[in-house]
Amino acid sequence: DAGVIQSPRHEVTEMGQEVTLRCKPISGHNSLFWYRQTMMRGLELLIYFNNNVPIDDSGMPEDRFSAKMPNASFSTLKIQPSEPRDSAVYFCASSLGPNGLSYTFGSGTRLTVV
Amino acid sequence: AQSVTQLGSHVSVSEGALVLLRCNYSSSVPPYLFWYVQYPNQGLQLLLKYTTGATLVKGINGFEAEFKKSETSFHLTKPSAHMSDAAEYFCAVSEAGNTGKLIFGQGTTLQVKP
Repeated sequence: DAGVIQSPRHEVTEMGQEVTLRCKPISGHNSLFWYRQTMMRGLELLIYFNNNVPIDDSGMPEDRFSAKMPNASFSTLKIQPSEPRDSAVYFCASSLGPNGLSYTFGSGTRLTVV
Repeated sequence: AQSVTQLGSHVSVSEGALVLLRCNYSSSVPPYLFWYVQYPNQGLQLLLKYTTGATLVKGINGFEAEFKKSETSFHLTKPSAHMSDAAEYFCAVSEAGNTGKLIFGQGTTLQVKP
């Protein structure tokens, strides 16, 4: 199993540009989670999906952030327009079942907005 | 609602010394508990988990944790620290309601001194 795959690994963009982060969950997993990690705020849950449906997006910081999961094998997190304070590492995780026993993280995307 | 508190955002030990990372949780239902480790520039990896049964759980790299219901604790220990153990450690509890989501603590950075 290739695990949770995120792309790109690193992204540097200019303020105001649109950024799209991608995630491929583990095949068969039915829940997908997007996290943001910074030194100041630690690990924050942004949004999670169950069976491709967004369940809780209360962690999405602003309307500039949006996430989609068009099918069971792909999800995107988009920031438009990006700002320097969005600089962080963004992680995707997927799991199967109700108790988080198979929770697996991707390697993350390090986003730098200049 | 579930919550996780990790006591001490930074812990420093000497190589060969005992490692003790503290985690307390609150949960309205019997919890599933987890410890994850994050090495620099990597995603979170599962160290160990408690579901049911034996309260002392052994994980990878010589780590273990003990579930103590009366103390609502799940502290992580390792008898002898190695330089390669330097990382950030996260305690997590499964969210009630079978959402598949994990609630994470704020993390503890372990420093190992030679």
